[in-house]
Amino acid sequence: GAGVSQTPSNKVTEKGKYVELRCDPISGHTALYWYRQSLGQGPEFLIYFQGTGAADDSGLPNDRFFAVRPEGSVSTLKIQRTERGDSAVYLCASSFSGGTTEAFFGQGTRLTVV
Amino acid sequence: GIQVEQSPPDLILQEGANSTLRCNFSDSVNNLQWFHQNPWGQLINLFYIPSGTKQNGRLSATTVATERYSLLYISSSQTTDSGVYFCAVEFDTGNQFYFGTGTSLTVIP
Repeated sequence: GAGVSQTPSNKVTEKGKYVELRCDPISGHTALYWYRQSLGQGPEFLIYFQGTGAADDSGLPNDRFFAVRPEGSVSTLKIQRTERGDSAVYLCASSFSGGTTEAFFGQGTRLTVV
Repeated sequence: GIQVEQSPPDLILQEGANSTLRCNFSDSVNNLQWFHQNPWGQLINLFYIPSGTKQNGRLSATTVATERYSLLYISSSQTTDSGVYFCAVEFDTGNQFYFGTGTSLTVIP
């Protein structure tokens, strides 16, 4: 597509439930990033994919968070046993090859855990 | 440790005024980008500028990599320039962008 697409735009879930957030990167981009942004803060890194593999998952806060990118294109961020503290905007970005190439962000998924 | 600092944190301008936003970073970089986050939360790319100077209309940016800072200039500001401006840096040693805390700009008519 023309830009990075994230679905859903908004997600409200009950505490303890499982959620999946989807990111469709720009076609041909091999690098994909997930970030999380809380109110009034800058985005914080979660995980970086180069192709199908997670090259850097050092930002995932705990083992309830997991992300996949099985075919090197679409990525899914999975959160198990959601907690109220997981409420935030989850942002996805892609770039042509990571490193020295420009990254473009999607519009984000606003997750609210009630 | 790794740091990306932006100043000022908040800025209020009269429409038509000029401003300079600053980003200081702590180490050598592969990538530096400036973003404008609009009221709907979308991060809009302004500049990809790991070094040098670029201009796009009323906006321009300069990165002096050897001195570890970048500047974003906004001239003849408009109310639509309001929002939060982020500097994001990818260091030589890593795979992630580190974002500064942002500059919140309000342009009043």
